[in-house]
Amino acid sequence: EAGVAQSPRYKIIEKRQSVAFWCNPISGHATLYWYQQILGQGPKLLIQFQNNGVVDDSQLPKDRFSAERLKGVDSTLKIQPAKLEDSAVYLCASSLDPTGYGYTFGSGTRLTVV
Amino acid sequence: EDQVTQSPEALRLQEGESSSLNCSYTVSGLRGLFWYRQDPGKGPEFLFTLYSAGEEKEKERLKATLTKKESFLHITAPKPEDSATYLCAVQSTGRRALTFGSGTRLQVQP
Repeated sequence: EAGVAQSPRYKIIEKRQSVAFWCNPISGHATLYWYQQILGQGPKLLIQFQNNGVVDDSQLPKDRFSAERLKGVDSTLKIQPAKLEDSAVYLCASSLDPTGYGYTFGSGTRLTVV
Repeated sequence: EDQVTQSPEALRLQEGESSSLNCSYTVSGLRGLFWYRQDPGKGPEFLFTLYSAGEEKEKERLKATLTKKESFLHITAPKPEDSATYLCAVQSTGRRALTFGSGTRLQVQP
């Protein structure tokens, strides 16, 4: 079974620039999550999708972050404009259903904002 | 608000020296407690899910236990390849996403 695919693996941008990350979940997984992991901390949820609808985006900084999941499969997370404090690993995860069964993480995208 | 606290932050063991990692949690209603292993540059890798107090699960040298307030990850006779960060997370009945602790960085020296 293929895992959760993310790209790019690394990205370095200057502050105030924009950046986008892509995620392809495990086939058949209806629930998709984006987490932010700052160095030395555990992952923190940014947004959760059920199919192509948003379930939880309470911790997403909506003034600069946006995410979409068209057709209920792939998802993109965008930051515009980026700040220094956005430097982190952005992890995508998917699960078979909203209960979290089969919860699987991708390898993440490491973002450095300079 | 769900909260997870892990201790110690870092642990250094000699190969074969058994120990335990602690995960204390506060949650309105527990659906599940998850343990993950994370290697540098990789995403968290699933280890266990525990659902109710008194439950135990084992995998090779790892054993996870759960009480109403905390979970322990026991590592028996660890090997250098067990070196990683171990993350604990809770899933509440009212929220499907996971709330993570900051992790315990384990280093096992030969």
